[in-house]
Amino acid sequence: AQTVTQSQPEMSVQEAETVTLSCTYDTSESDYYLFWYKQPPSRQMILVIRQEAYKQQNATENRFSVNFQKAAKSFSLKISDSQLGDAAMYFCAYEEGNAGNMLTFGGGTRLMVKP
Amino acid sequence: GAGVSQSPRYKVAKRGQDVALRCDPISGHVSLFWYQQALGQGPEFLTYFQNEAQLDKSGLPSDRFFAERPEGSVSTLKIQRTQQEDSAVYLCASSLDPGTSGRDFYEQYFGPGTRLTVT
Repeated sequence: AQTVTQSQPEMSVQEAETVTLSCTYDTSESDYYLFWYKQPPSRQMILVIRQEAYKQQNATENRFSVNFQKAAKSFSLKISDSQLGDAAMYFCAYEEGNAGNMLTFGGGTRLMVKP
Repeated sequence: GAGVSQSPRYKVAKRGQDVALRCDPISGHVSLFWYQQALGQGPEFLTYFQNEAQLDKSGLPSDRFFAERPEGSVSTLKIQRTQQEDSAVYLCASSLDPGTSGRDFYEQYFGPGTRLTVT
């Protein structure tokens, strides 16, 4: 079974600074997707960024980028120029490569942004 | 456009009561997922529908949990004889048709969840 591990229960960053959230996963599959989701207090899960395992290039979405190390099974999220609105729970998630598969989530990291 | 909606947003049940949680997916979305999120943890998969067919129910924790999607749109998650360990947020997500060949990415869109508290 696939597992996703987030070793940082809480992280704190100063507004406008950069922070990196860590995620490791375990799988024997070669075709899969990795995601970072944001969950604010409203509980609505919002997709932040995704990475296809077959792509070597790291995904980037505006201030959000990932460092995908396939051999090490590591998938970290970097948030640049942190904003107060970035404060939330962040979940790393894994999906097998066949369409229609469920997501396997990590335990989450609570990000606090200090003004 | 309208997103995934869930009702009720909050539900308090006494131990032993039955509850029904509703999910309205985005119109046209074929796939529907239910997840359970215990306090302070990540969501865990419960079950998956493609249209009205329940293709995977491997995550349902016990036979007290039952899900249906009879017309391929709205889904209901029913929990019979609720226990305190059932207290959690129940999230619903929907996505477009997974397709029959190749692999296209279909994002799962989540609803706001139903927080169930069993007293």
